[in-house]
Amino acid sequence: AQKVTQAQTEISVVEKEDVTLDCVYETRDTTYYLFWYKQPPSGELVFLIRRNSFDEQNEISGRYSWNFQKSTSSFNFTITASQVVDSAVYFCALSAWFGNEKLTFGTGTRLTIIP
Amino acid sequence: DGGITQSPKYLFRKEGQNVTLSCEQNLNHDAMYWYRQDPGQGLRLIYYSQIVNDFQKGDIAEGYSVSREKKESFPLTVTSAQKNPTAFYLCASTQGSSYEQYFGPGTRLTVT
Repeated sequence: AQKVTQAQTEISVVEKEDVTLDCVYETRDTTYYLFWYKQPPSGELVFLIRRNSFDEQNEISGRYSWNFQKSTSSFNFTITASQVVDSAVYFCALSAWFGNEKLTFGTGTRLTIIP
Repeated sequence: DGGITQSPKYLFRKEGQNVTLSCEQNLNHDAMYWYRQDPGQGLRLIYYSQIVNDFQKGDIAEGYSVSREKKESFPLTVTSAQKNPTAFYLCASTQGSSYEQYFGPGTRLTVT
């Protein structure tokens, strides 16, 4: 069975601070995909990144960066120089490499950026 | 503009009534999904369909039904058998296993 754990329920930081959102996953598959989605107050989920289990290189996209460590089953997300627009709920998710592409979601981390 | 539409955004029903939530996509995606989100929880899969005229139960299918008669449409019916239907419902679609899922704006259902 697959499981995704986001232990941080809520985080608040002052604008311009850096913040890291943790994600730990469990799967018996040797190949899989990991995702991060952002859910702003409007409710729609916005795709941020997909990473396959073969690629452990860190990825950076503007102020966003992701650290994937297979050895610790973690896929953490860091926002540098946070902005108020980053306030949202962030979900980490896991899917199998083959098959029906079902996503297993964590319970999400609510991030509040204080101006 | 390509995307997923869900209507209506807010829906109110009396207990004991069936209600159907609409989901339409013009992305030409084969696979479509329905998720349920409750406050403080992640998304849980209700049903999914990988091809027209075929669908599979997800983790919490009891009290729900779906149909997939057209590639672009995947309506979800919340039946009176669903014990706690009040929730936020999200529809998604994907091109395949190597691609991310795109989500619609969601429908917030309130049953009283």
